[in-house]
Amino acid sequence: GAVVSQHPSWVICKSGTSVKIECRSLDFQATTMFWYRQFPKQSLMLMATSNEGSKATYEQGVEKDKFLINHASLTLSTLTVTSAHPEDSSFYICSASEARAGLDNEQFFGPGTRLTVL
Amino acid sequence: AQSVAQPEDQVNVAEGNPLTVKCTYSVSGNPYLFWYVQYPNRGLQFLLKYITGDNLVKGSYGFEAEFNKSQTSFHLKKPSALVSDSALYFCAVRDMGGYQKVTFGTGTKLQVIP
Repeated sequence: GAVVSQHPSWVICKSGTSVKIECRSLDFQATTMFWYRQFPKQSLMLMATSNEGSKATYEQGVEKDKFLINHASLTLSTLTVTSAHPEDSSFYICSASEARAGLDNEQFFGPGTRLTVL
Repeated sequence: AQSVAQPEDQVNVAEGNPLTVKCTYSVSGNPYLFWYVQYPNRGLQFLLKYITGDNLVKGSYGFEAEFNKSQTSFHLKKPSALVSDSALYFCAVRDMGGYQKVTFGTGTKLQVIP
């Protein structure tokens, strides 16, 4: 089946620094990738949708300049949390979709990245 | 706008007993419906999905779900619960239209008691 990986699986950083999280589709080409944020004991909140080679579409309330998303290739998308603050601490999950004719555009999820900002 | 409701924050069931985790949805068109499971500090694992066809969908680990269009429900079921089934379960919906946004429910914690 389709596999999506994330790196790192967990990261601790100091307030004010930037952190980059990678999302890779290992055995398929992901024309669309999604970034979610999950707070403790809460559901997944979609942050943004990115299509390969174009700018990401951010959900309402998500700061574009703070959460930079790059989807430069069909197998890699990155989320950079700029000038991180403790309130950015969360579990970030990506998913990827392979949009080919005849498929139902199912999303395959990565294992998540736990970000802790001190 | 599409939405998903999981009315129970937690479901407790004894090991060996049948379990049901409830989900209702709202979409403007025909729905794609999904169930995912999440273990602590892990990503989501796909359990099953409904697109078209039989209303009873069978998925991984012995789980199944029944699509009920009139009640707009997609309850997750398993005939005999295992302790290892204890986890957080999410129902999700996507409109069959072109936009791929998936909306998740708030999750239901399943606790299987030995």
